[in-house]
Amino acid sequence: SQQGEEDPQALSIQEGENATMNCSYKTSINNLQWYRQNSGRGLVHLILIRSNEREKHSGRLRVTLDTSKKSSSLLITASRAADTASYFCATAHQGAQKLVFGQGTRLTINP
Amino acid sequence: KAGVTQTPRYLIKTRGQQVTLSCSPISGHRSVSWYQQTPGQGLQFLFEYFSETQRNKGNFPGRFSGRQFSNSRSEMNVSTLELGDSALYLCASSPTTLAEYGYTFGSGTRLTVV
Repeated sequence: SQQGEEDPQALSIQEGENATMNCSYKTSINNLQWYRQNSGRGLVHLILIRSNEREKHSGRLRVTLDTSKKSSSLLITASRAADTASYFCATAHQGAQKLVFGQGTRLTINP
Repeated sequence: KAGVTQTPRYLIKTRGQQVTLSCSPISGHRSVSWYQQTPGQGLQFLFEYFSETQRNKGNFPGRFSGRQFSNSRSEMNVSTLELGDSALYLCASSPTTLAEYGYTFGSGTRLTVV
């Protein structure tokens, strides 16, 4: 299966702390994307990193990609209560017209 | 601009019935993908349509089908519903196929089969 794996499955931190989530995948990719989902609603696209990129930033988000290890990480700095959600990585594999999603990390920010 | 619109938001059906879900993508987006989300299996790819053609299909039985119209709106149909079809069905639109850009998701249709 191409499906990625994320860890941890759940993460609980205090407001203001940084949160790091990891994603691993098995086969070569064109790009890797991160999404957020609040309480069973639709997913919101956060950031896309292409296979020839190593790091991208968007506001408080920092994504890294290591294609040699087939892994990515999402860092959320200075977390807020509103960041409480599930976070999913999704991979676009070469020649495939689809995104393959990981199982997600449930992030809880405690006030 | 308007986002991705999925209708209906909630649906309760009885085993054996069939159901049709609708998705209107962002204007100008020609690719529509469908996903099934359940607590046990996570997000599973159903199919992707681009310019009215199914480009890719996931590992679901033939009871799951879809189509796309010339205005890029898409429908998916599930026939002979089973209890296990209870899920959140999400559609996503993108300008092109091959997942080259981030997807824009709708709010989903929550289907409950009783």
